[in-house]
Amino acid sequence: EIVLTQSPGTLSLSPGERATLSCKASQNVSSSYLAWFQQKPGQAPRLLIYGTSNRATDIPDRFSGSGSGTDFTLTISRLEPEDFAVFYCHQYGSSPPYTFGQGTKLE
Amino acid sequence: QKQLQESGPGLVKPSQTLSLICTVADASISNGGYYWTWVRQQPGKGLEWIGHIYHTGSTYYNPSLKSRLSMSIDTSKNQFSLKVTSVTVADTAIYFCARRGWLRGLDYWGRGTLVTVS
Repeated sequence: EIVLTQSPGTLSLSPGERATLSCKASQNVSSSYLAWFQQKPGQAPRLLIYGTSNRATDIPDRFSGSGSGTDFTLTISRLEPEDFAVFYCHQYGSSPPYTFGQGTKLE
Repeated sequence: QKQLQESGPGLVKPSQTLSLICTVADASISNGGYYWTWVRQQPGKGLEWIGHIYHTGSTYYNPSLKSRLSMSIDTSKNQFSLKVTSVTVADTAIYFCARRGWLRGLDYWGRGTLVTVS
């Protein structure tokens, strides 16, 4: 099983600032199968990025993803008030079980 | 806009079986190309992938839960289901159903349903 470790656990920033979230895998993850989700309280996760760097439908271009191998990054270029939430990375490669990181809270 | 909706009892007694159904609207689950997935989230915790089922009935379960899991699919009703046997308080969680595209991943989710084991 691939373990995903996200850092930091909590990120404290202000609107307009840049956010950089990290996701490190215990073994190589195909860049085709790394995703990022945003979850707000009481809501289901929302797909932001799939395949490391592809924005999902209706996701603003201030969200971007990058990385390869065992190191992946989600960047939010200029934070908007509605961006503050918990973010999860997720690997869904060719061999289950698929796994999630433990989450980064952006406050 | 694809819609998924979980349904089932919100309260289950320890040692009994948790049963949930996910109803899919605006998409036919009998079409190939998607894995119909269950994910859960214990209160205040992160996300846990439970398993998925393909339209053919082929399944893959998380090994940590495998001995207690069962999934099925009913293409005539456009539904898929989850059963977890011998539940304990540790199975208390919000259970989400979701659609996984092969490359796009988990692109559509239900709102989730809270199941309490008590």
